Amino acid sequence: NAGVTQTPKFQVLKTGQSMTLQCAQDMNHEYMSWYRQDPGMGLRLIHYSVGAGITDQGEVPNGYNVSRSTTEDFPLRLLSAAPSQTSVYFCASSYLRGTEAFFGQGTRLTVV
Amino acid sequence: DAKTTQPTSMDCAEGRAANLPCNHSTISGNEYVYWYRQIHSQGPQYIIHGLKNNETNEMASLIITEDRKSSTLILPHATLRDTAVYYCIVRVASSGATNKLIFGTGTLLAVQP
Repeated sequence: NAGVTQTPKFQVLKTGQSMTLQCAQDMNHEYMSWYRQDPGMGLRLIHYSVGAGITDQGEVPNGYNVSRSTTEDFPLRLLSAAPSQTSVYFCASSYLRGTEAFFGQGTRLTVV
Repeated sequence: DAKTTQPTSMDCAEGRAANLPCNHSTISGNEYVYWYRQIHSQGPQYIIHGLKNNETNEMASLIITEDRKSSTLILPHATLRDTAVYYCIVRVASSGATNKLIFGTGTLLAVQP
């Protein structure tokens, strides 16, 4: 059972480049979310989804797009990377009626 | 969701109990107290949650005061591997959009050998 898998683990981008951070879960969870974590801070919610075809914004959505075409996958897109998006990104999933959220191991993104 | 207040850092001797406090004085009647921890560079890990009764599992115990305005997470026999940032989160019972977890800055627990 893989749980929540994030790829890549590390990425360096140039300012203005685009990329997609991948997140996949094999637990049939309805709820998925993306967080970013900056040094010395807690996790901040970027976007979340309560099921396929449904997404919504979190605390810090600007500069990021998401889609949820399947239950398993919830990719996070950076359309034009900026140095302010340098961070560690975590994906999480849970059942809608569940109590425990499962997190991936993170993607460390550097934008130069 | 109610805000929480936690100490920035705490130390604990290996083998001793670690008691991590959390204040949530504005908690609502339908809000649960959740605890997660984040070991360096890893994704957060669920520990325990409760509404008003004390809870215990294989990882920890959660003590919630009768007025529910504060709680304490207890790691009964701390080991070096328990060194992590511990987050206390208050939110309503899971239901759609309310599944979202709002993290503060947590408590850095340093277990000393």
